[in-house]
Amino acid sequence: DAGITQSPRYKITETGRQVTLMCHQTWSHSYMFWYRQDLGHGLRLIYYSAAADITDKGEVPDGYVVSRSKTENFPLTLESATRSQTSVYFCASSGGEGTRSAPETQYFGPGTRLLVL
Amino acid sequence: GESVGLHLPTLSVQEGDNSIINCAYSNSASDYFIWYKQESGKGPQFIIDIRSNMDKRQGQRVTVLLNKTVKHLSLQIAATQPGDSAVYFCAEMGSGYKLSFGAGTTVTVRA
Repeated sequence: DAGITQSPRYKITETGRQVTLMCHQTWSHSYMFWYRQDLGHGLRLIYYSAAADITDKGEVPDGYVVSRSKTENFPLTLESATRSQTSVYFCASSGGEGTRSAPETQYFGPGTRLLVL
Repeated sequence: GESVGLHLPTLSVQEGDNSIINCAYSNSASDYFIWYKQESGKGPQFIIDIRSNMDKRQGQRVTVLLNKTVKHLSLQIAATQPGDSAVYFCAEMGSGYKLSFGAGTTVTVRA
């Protein structure tokens, strides 16, 4: 029972480089989410997806791109990394309508710690 | 805008005592609330949830209380154990199954 996984778990990159963070879930959940977590700001939503090929912006989308060609994957790309994007990134998923658990409950991955030098 | 907040950023509790973590929310239209626990270096872990048509819900050693009149949510942990040391977040559900999180309360259990 893999659940929801993220890779890499740790990443160091340089300003201006493109970085892609991966997220994979095995529950066939409809909804997937990307958050960043910074001291003093809690968890902030970057992007979310209601289904394959449907994505929408969250609270802090600037500098990020997402795609969702398959239900189980939701990669997050930093097109040109900046130091302000140094953070811990969490992916989450929820079932939406028609699942056994509460459709709204989000389950989180272990996170990716990203350092931009 | 609407926000979810926690009353205290830190809580120190003696092992074996009960813990109460508070949360105030401002969106009176919210109908679903969740408590998460986050241990150091890990992702948030679902603890318990409650819908707005309920006042109280119990889980294993945890109880969530919802007071819609004053828009207040609390998490009670019975017989607090060292493994309960973590950051606790409340969250409310907005549109599109999006959650809004509070800043979190750090609970430290004293031996």
